[in-house]
Amino acid sequence: AQSVTQLGSHVSVSEGALVLLRCNYSSSVPPYLFWYVQYPNQGLQLLLKYTSAATLVKGINGFEAEFKKSETSFHLTKPSAHMSDAAEYFCAVITGFQKLVFGTGTRLLVSP
Amino acid sequence: DADVTQTPRNRITKTGKRIMLECSQTKGHDRMYWYRQDPGLGLRLIYYSFDVKDINKGEISDGYSVSRQAQAKFSLSLESAIPNQTALYFCATASASGADGELFFGEGSRLTVL
Repeated sequence: AQSVTQLGSHVSVSEGALVLLRCNYSSSVPPYLFWYVQYPNQGLQLLLKYTSAATLVKGINGFEAEFKKSETSFHLTKPSAHMSDAAEYFCAVITGFQKLVFGTGTRLLVSP
Repeated sequence: DADVTQTPRNRITKTGKRIMLECSQTKGHDRMYWYRQDPGLGLRLIYYSFDVKDINKGEISDGYSVSRQAQAKFSLSLESAIPNQTALYFCATASASGADGELFFGEGSRLTVL
């Protein structure tokens, strides 16, 4: 069964520093992978998705993720953190019939 | 107005009470989902529906039931609420025709069972 594992329940960075949120997947077939973001008191919104086209995927708000089959990873990065990036981030993989399986989430804390 | 609307946004109830969480959408999507979010556990799928006549159990359906009243409406019921059903509940929708699995979420319904 397809699944994702997010390493680190909390990540703290300073404003302007690199953001790296880790996600590893397990899948017996080529996966479709997603990153969603949840701002406080809001629902989830899509940041970016990998659907077997380009391995480097660019999303909204300056985020990007690289699909690495050899490492079974789909890490999320942003070169320079902004205070407004503070949120919870979820990696997800799609199973049959558009059922998303989510990771446990990583809360990003950004300090001035 | 939000495309996916959940009511109520917050609810406090007592053990044993029946609770219904409602979801309506204006996106015209066929597929609707109910997820539950717990700290440290991410989101887990409770039920999903691909059209009005199609209802499927997710990974944690015990203690829950759903009703798809129309294409735009999908309700989640807790017949007899218990404290470990205290959680944040999300409704989501998806198009059957594409978008490679993108789900559109409501803002969530926070349920507290005392």
